[in-house]
Amino acid sequence: GENVEQHPSTLSVQEGDSAVIKCTYSDSASNYFPWYKQELGKRPQLIIDIRSNVGEKKDQRIAVTLNKTAKHFSLHITETQPEDSAVYFCAASTPWGGGADGLTFGKGTHLIIQP
Amino acid sequence: NAGVTQTPKFQVLKTGQSMTLQCAQDMNHEYMSWYRQDPGMGLRLIHYSVGAGITDQGEVPNGYNVSRSTTEDFPLRLLSAAPSQTSVYFCASSYSIFAGTDTQYFGPGTRLTVL
Repeated sequence: GENVEQHPSTLSVQEGDSAVIKCTYSDSASNYFPWYKQELGKRPQLIIDIRSNVGEKKDQRIAVTLNKTAKHFSLHITETQPEDSAVYFCAASTPWGGGADGLTFGKGTHLIIQP
Repeated sequence: NAGVTQTPKFQVLKTGQSMTLQCAQDMNHEYMSWYRQDPGMGLRLIHYSVGAGITDQGEVPNGYNVSRSTTEDFPLRLLSAAPSQTSVYFCASSYSIFAGTDTQYFGPGTRLTVL
């Protein structure tokens, strides 16, 4: 099955700086890569996603890049703010079974924004 | 529109007890799933359903049963609780049965402790 590795496990950045979280996946057939943000005690919420036919996607301060050849994708957050502090999860999905067997998640990155 | 709801929010069980975690959605989503979240492990898929009457196993199904008698409800049953099942449980749903390519919406979670 799919395996997703996520790094780093903890990332501390100064407010206003950029943060980058990286994930690698094992199944070259994976074609959907969402990123979820989870605040303490809350549910995961989708912040951005990318499909395998696109190399980059941006939404205001958040961007995701995908390198299919190297099988890795990254989340970029610019001009970080205190409300960006949370745990971020990457995930990947393969088309086998129509993607019905769900998402495979990375273990998460705890992003800390230092004032 | 309540989205995805889960009950209870917290539960403490003794080893060997059984219980049912409830999940409901009012978005007419075909796809529903259960994940468990453990510290440092990310989210792992337990069971999923692509429609009423259809369920299948995910990555970690042992010790859990599910059924899907209606589109709205997808309960998760613990047959004989064990301390290893102490976790936070999230229910998720998406419009399409192709869950791997469609936004998944998570419920607020149930924090379960097994003594």
